[in-house]
Amino acid sequence: GAGVSQTPSNKVTEKGKYVELRCDPISGHTALYWYRQSLGQGPEFLIYFQGTGAADDSGLPNDRFFAVRPEGSVSTLKIQRTERGDSAVYLCASSLQGRGEQYFGPGTRLTVT
Amino acid sequence: TQLLEQSPQFLSIQEGENLTVYCNSSSVFSSLQWYRQEPGEGPVLLVTVVTGGEVKKLKRLTFQFGDARKDSSLHITAAQTGDTGLYLCAGAIGAQKLVFGQGTRLTINP
Repeated sequence: GAGVSQTPSNKVTEKGKYVELRCDPISGHTALYWYRQSLGQGPEFLIYFQGTGAADDSGLPNDRFFAVRPEGSVSTLKIQRTERGDSAVYLCASSLQGRGEQYFGPGTRLTVT
Repeated sequence: TQLLEQSPQFLSIQEGENLTVYCNSSSVFSSLQWYRQEPGEGPVLLVTVVTGGEVKKLKRLTFQFGDARKDSSLHITAAQTGDTGLYLCAGAIGAQKLVFGQGTRLTINP
């Protein structure tokens, strides 16, 4: 497919566990973004990558959240010691060189029990 | 903190009626975007407005950017049941990230 893909589509985990969420951007898109969308809210910015480096991580809520993009393509959002408040849909988007339209994936719905 | 306030948060009207959704902020954005989001999917871009006072039309949808680039509106003429969905406005901060409003959940009843 040509769009942004995210895996898994759903993830249920217990409080205190570690989770990884994966994003495959559109091929050739150098910019990648992570957002979090809580129920009834709009997406909230978490982090932005340009290539392999995190150009802006000002939206990460605390040091339990970390994201990587080692080869400038696939990105993984990592959450340590999950809390029930982390439950949300985590959206990934990519764009061409950080300008223009951001194309969103379908999201990963994370539920922390 | 840049905030975007959308109103109304919920709107339910009959097919054929007109409606307007508002997006307001105290901050100036380099551009403003409107998205539509279906359940279980990510937002899909409808339009980007860049210039203060700009008006763009997309079939029955009319988008306007305020003169001061702080607010925007989405007007739908003769709403159809297929217009049902979550509409989000988002302000661009530079070229890097979007600040989203909380969304307007629109229901068009047959």
